[in-house]
This record gives sequence, C-alpha cells and structure tokens, in this order.
Amino acid sequence: LAKTTQPISMDSYEGQEVNITCSHNNIATNDYITWYQQFPSQGPRFIIQGYKTKVTNEVASLFIPADRKSSTLSLPRVSLSDTAVYYCLVVGNQGGKLIFGQGTELSVKP
Amino acid sequence: SQTIHQWPATLVQPVGSPLSLECTVEGTSNPNLYWYRQAAGRGLQLLFYSVGIGQISSEVPQNLSASRPQDRQFILSSKKLLLSDSGFYLCAWRPKRISYNEQFFGPGTRLTVL
Repeated sequence: LAKTTQPISMDSYEGQEVNITCSHNNIATNDYITWYQQFPSQGPRFIIQGYKTKVTNEVASLFIPADRKSSTLSLPRVSLSDTAVYYCLVVGNQGGKLIFGQGTELSVKP
Repeated sequence: SQTIHQWPATLVQPVGSPLSLECTVEGTSNPNLYWYRQAAGRGLQLLFYSVGIGQISSEVPQNLSASRPQDRQFILSSKKLLLSDSGFYLCAWRPKRISYNEQFFGPGTRLTVL
C-alpha cells in the first residue's frame, strides 16, 4: 500500500487560496489519489479524486504531476467553515480499503 | 437516496462489559461495508470490512469482532471491553464500482470505556 506524507497542520486566512501537498512516492499504476475532509465529531467526507493532471469540482482542484509521486489539493478562497482535517489517500484495487494517515489540520482565521 | 445510520450516538461502558454497535444502510444493495476507529487526535484505523453477507475481513488483531447478518447491516461487537477500546467508531459504505473510491460515512458512535 502506498504511504502518504502531508503536513501536520496549516494556517490560513479567510479569502486566501490554500494548497496542501501530499507525497506518495510508492504509488502504483492502478492507484487513484483521493482527498477527504473531516470536521470534529463527524465522519470524513469525500472531496475529490484524480489519477493524473488536473481535476476540478465545485469544492476544490487536484493537481497531479506526470510522475504522480505527489499531489496538491487546492481550496480557493477559504472560509472559516473550511477549518477541518484533510486526508490524502492513495487507493487502488484493494477491496476498497481506505488507509487514513494523520491528515493535515487546516485552521482558517478571520 | 442512500443513507447510513449508526447507533447509539454515544456510549459509556465499564471495562469488561460487552459491546454491540449497529450500522445500517438504506437505498443501496450489496455495498462494501467498513468499521473504523478514531482515537483521540487524528487518523482513522480500519478495523473490519465486508464485501458481502457473512464475509468479514479483519485488519488488526483485537478483542473486537464484526458480523454482517444482512446485506445492509454491519455489527461491531466485543465480549469484554478494554480501556483502549475508547474512541470514535465510524461505519462506512461504498458501492461496488471499479475505480470509484468514495466511501460514505455514518454519524459515528463515541464510546468511552471507564
């Protein structure tokens, strides 16, 4: 299983763009990169998934370079409600198992 | 639409007592089902997953067990709770679609073992 490494915490201010980078040097050919968001006392919520290049949805963008050894989750113009823990996961054909690391605790300040 | 239910929401149990947490999913059939535990701080630990009725895979050795008596019902049990079993227990489901990795989590059960 590919291991992921991401910063433990990040601080930002309202209205800023936040980029959280995750490294996954041992990613396999069949693996997808998936990001989840978790608020306190709630289950994680799927944000975005990608395989290569760039993926964008109504919540975030995901940038994946050609070698796929890292990825960057981009949150445009964050608000206080974006304060949460963000998890980067590499998911392959493993029976759908998600292996969560420690995640990145994002704190958005006014 | 699909929904996932967990109960109870909170639970305080003495050491050595039994445990039964229930999770049910509505609006889908033949889902993959998962039990996770989140201790104080961050990081979810996958405990069990199931791809069908009666099919349980254990990820970590422990005094917990899981069962799937019906297609959309997943139960987490223990015969004797330990202090270290305290935590936030989350049930999740995922449809069986290749390359589709979104899991849907329930509201969780906060378990405190005293």
